[in-house]
Amino acid sequence: RKEVEQDPGPFNVPEGATVAFNCTYSNSASQSFFWYRQDCRKEPKLLMSVYSSGNEDGRFTAQLNRASQYISLLIRDSKLSDSATYLCAVNTGTASKLTFGTGTRLQVTL
Amino acid sequence: EAGVAQSPRYKIIEKRQSVAFWCNPISGHATLYWYQQILGQGPKLLIQFQNNGVVDDSQLPKDRFSAERLKGVDSTLKIQPAKLEDSAVYLCASSPRPGLVFVDTQYFGPGTRLTVL
Repeated sequence: RKEVEQDPGPFNVPEGATVAFNCTYSNSASQSFFWYRQDCRKEPKLLMSVYSSGNEDGRFTAQLNRASQYISLLIRDSKLSDSATYLCAVNTGTASKLTFGTGTRLQVTL
Repeated sequence: EAGVAQSPRYKIIEKRQSVAFWCNPISGHATLYWYQQILGQGPKLLIQFQNNGVVDDSQLPKDRFSAERLKGVDSTLKIQPAKLEDSAVYLCASSPRPGLVFVDTQYFGPGTRLTVL
């Protein structure tokens, strides 16, 4: 089993739709979780951290499910500008080492 | 605040040649990371420095890759000799505080796109 797994997609959704991505992780000792956004041919940029209590930022909501070892990202009212690849990152091994998933590609259409 | 700087942005070399990449992290950031991102995959950590010491280089192919951060500020990553499978984007990232338990936010540079022919 991979340390961090994501469905690569693509997820094709119409503007205004709600879409959710999951990311599973194998190390039950992981403490830090993140969602990054990566536009085509650009560097990853932090979208949000994922806290035990969940985290909401505008249209974006991140949740952590420790029992089932996954994190989720929910995007409400999708915009064309949300089209990107969404990478989850989980600390594995040493405290400050991040392992990234392969990313989930989102395409929002008119 | 200036972001993470990397150069060159693009590099094309032939296999068996050598190449070096440079990274200047955000001022004051103690931790510096080099990642390799192959097309269609997520970034893979190659090496992590804290100040000028190596914290983790377990995934660095040490027979051909080397990295240094001599003064605890900027860093270079070298490949010698390059193989076709080294074609990837090499991303540098930095974070402000040593991550003792929780991982601090990592800020990425624009990357160097390497093509090995």
